[in-house]
Amino acid sequence: GAVVSQHPSRVICKSGTSVKIECRSLDFQATTMFWYRQFPKQSLMLMATSNEGSKATYEQGVEKDKFLINHASLTLSTLTVTSAHPEDSSFYICSARGGLAPEQFFGPGTRLTVL
Amino acid sequence: AQSVTQPDIHITVSEGASLELRCNYSYGATPYLFWYVQSPGQGLQLLLKYFSGDTLVQGIKGFEAEFKRSQSSFNLRKPSVHWSDAAEYFCAVGAADSWGKLQFGAGTQVVVTP
Repeated sequence: GAVVSQHPSRVICKSGTSVKIECRSLDFQATTMFWYRQFPKQSLMLMATSNEGSKATYEQGVEKDKFLINHASLTLSTLTVTSAHPEDSSFYICSARGGLAPEQFFGPGTRLTVL
Repeated sequence: AQSVTQPDIHITVSEGASLELRCNYSYGATPYLFWYVQSPGQGLQLLLKYFSGDTLVQGIKGFEAEFKRSQSSFNLRKPSVHWSDAAEYFCAVGAADSWGKLQFGAGTQVVVTP
């Protein structure tokens, strides 16, 4: 149980385009989803927290207009990187938690490369 | 503010030898503590967790961790490592009052030699 999927696993795009990444909880209802960014050989950096049906809460320094997060249902959250630039190239990982349980279950990640 | 420290960036261990990964945290109350493992290009897999109760926690893949409040530590151990244990290991701290947000340590890269 507690499986989280991400799609796509890899994406390459041109600078200036927008990219959408989907995060789905497959076998549980995710009341809260989290989006992280991970640079090579570094730890995970929390970008934002999203609760179903409400606006995402962004961490300090994360541009909410650039990284659009939608959590429209209890099983789906999306991250859209708008007007992507090469410096946005990174590994994006989502996680989900259900109910009041504090543990998070992680998706497999999405490798974004902006040319 | 809560913080997590993993003092060892890189550890090399022989197959069959024991492994211990250190994790120290700083937090005002008793935190929720986790160990995750990440293989290259993959997401994170939960190895074990501590919320309350017995301070010695058993996890998957033969791992265990011990919560020591007096030392603010939550070290991960495995008696005999396998080549498949080579990966990046992250300690994480969470709190009940932070919407489940986790603070991750910098990670420890484990290399297993024959």
